Amino acid sequence: EAGVVQSPRYKIIEKKQPVAFWCNPISGHNTLYWYLQNLGQGPELLIRYENEEAVDDSQLPKDRFSAERLKGVDSTLKIQPAELGDSAVYLCASSSGTGRRSNEQFFGPGTRLTVL
Amino acid sequence: RKEVEQDPGPFNVPEGATVAFNCTYSNSASQSFFWYRQDCRKEPKLLMSVYSSGNEDGRFTAQLNRASQYISLLIRDSKLSDSATYLCVVRRPGNTPLVFGKGTRLSVIA
Repeated sequence: EAGVVQSPRYKIIEKKQPVAFWCNPISGHNTLYWYLQNLGQGPELLIRYENEEAVDDSQLPKDRFSAERLKGVDSTLKIQPAELGDSAVYLCASSSGTGRRSNEQFFGPGTRLTVL
Repeated sequence: RKEVEQDPGPFNVPEGATVAFNCTYSNSASQSFFWYRQDCRKEPKLLMSVYSSGNEDGRFTAQLNRASQYISLLIRDSKLSDSATYLCVVRRPGNTPLVFGKGTRLSVIA
């Protein structure tokens, strides 16, 4: 069974440019998460989707970040414009079920973003 | 204060050693607890859940102390392949996302 797929794996852009990341969760997983991970830190949640609905986006910097999961399957995270401090690894994860049954999250390999 | 706190390490131990990591959490209502493992430049993967009664999986033992709000992970007979970052993870009550600690880095040396 395929795991969580993310692309691109690496992205280098100049500041003020836009960038987009794509994630395809494990088939059948209704919950999708986007995390940001800085060096030496644990993943920090940006947004969580239950099917196509964003149920937790309180940590998403909405002035420059946006996300969508239009058909409740794959998702795109966008930054426009990117800033130097956005350099990090962006991880996508998915899980099945809700509540206590959604404990195990499966992570994709991440997109390593470098903003110059 | 961070919701989940861990000693970042690094812990440098010889092969065969026993090593223990602790983690504290601030939300006393937290209901689920886990250890995730993250290899260098890889994604986090679930290592084990942590139950109130304590649980063991081979060389790994996890303990939860709700009164003191800490979680521990014990690794016996360390292998070189155990070298990784170990992330302490908690879930608040209800349908809420996981909260990750910074991770503790372990290096097992031959």
